[in-house]
Amino acid sequence: AQSVSQHNHHVILSEAASLELGCNYSYGGTVNLFWYVQYPGQHLQLLLKYFSGDPLVKGIKGFEAEFIKSKFSFNLRKPSVQWSDTAEYFCAVNVGGAAGNKLTFGGGTRVLVKP
Amino acid sequence: ETGVTQTPRHLVMGMTNKKSLKCEQHLGHNAMYWYKQSAKKPLELMFVYNFKEQTENNSVPSRFSPECPNSSHLFLHLHTLQPEDSALYLCASSPPGRVDGYTFGSGTRLTVV
Repeated sequence: AQSVSQHNHHVILSEAASLELGCNYSYGGTVNLFWYVQYPGQHLQLLLKYFSGDPLVKGIKGFEAEFIKSKFSFNLRKPSVQWSDTAEYFCAVNVGGAAGNKLTFGGGTRVLVKP
Repeated sequence: ETGVTQTPRHLVMGMTNKKSLKCEQHLGHNAMYWYKQSAKKPLELMFVYNFKEQTENNSVPSRFSPECPNSSHLFLHLHTLQPEDSALYLCASSPPGRVDGYTFGSGTRLTVV
């Protein structure tokens, strides 16, 4: 079964700092990759997704992620964070095929941006 | 609101109680899911329903019993739960074959005392 690892459980940084969150998955075949965000007290929202094509994908709110197949990674980045980016971020994988429409999530990374 | 509505938002129940969580969507989606979100653990998929049929039970204990009477409604019946079952229970839905079309509800915060 596929699994998803997020390396950092907590990240604290100041406004305008750059953010990079790591995500690795374990599955050798074709995957669909996602980053979700959960702001305090709110529901999970899709930030961005990768299905195929350009491995550098851009999402909402200035976020981007790079798929590196050889490293089984899909790291999330933002060049300059804002206080409003304080949230929990989840990486997720779908392997399609027999797994159908299931998403497998990583453990999440809590990001605190200090003003 | 996300289009996926979960009720109640908060629930406190004793270990001998029976309660139900409700999820409702009118997005035209045909797949619905229950996930469990516990502190310090990854989101855990519990159940998947496609076109009202259960297609996934991720080794969930029988004290959790799902019900999907139609494509718009999903229930999670709870009976004789344990304190470690306290968590945020999330419902999601998606269009058929569209894994990128997940819409999550805001969840039910369950506390078992």
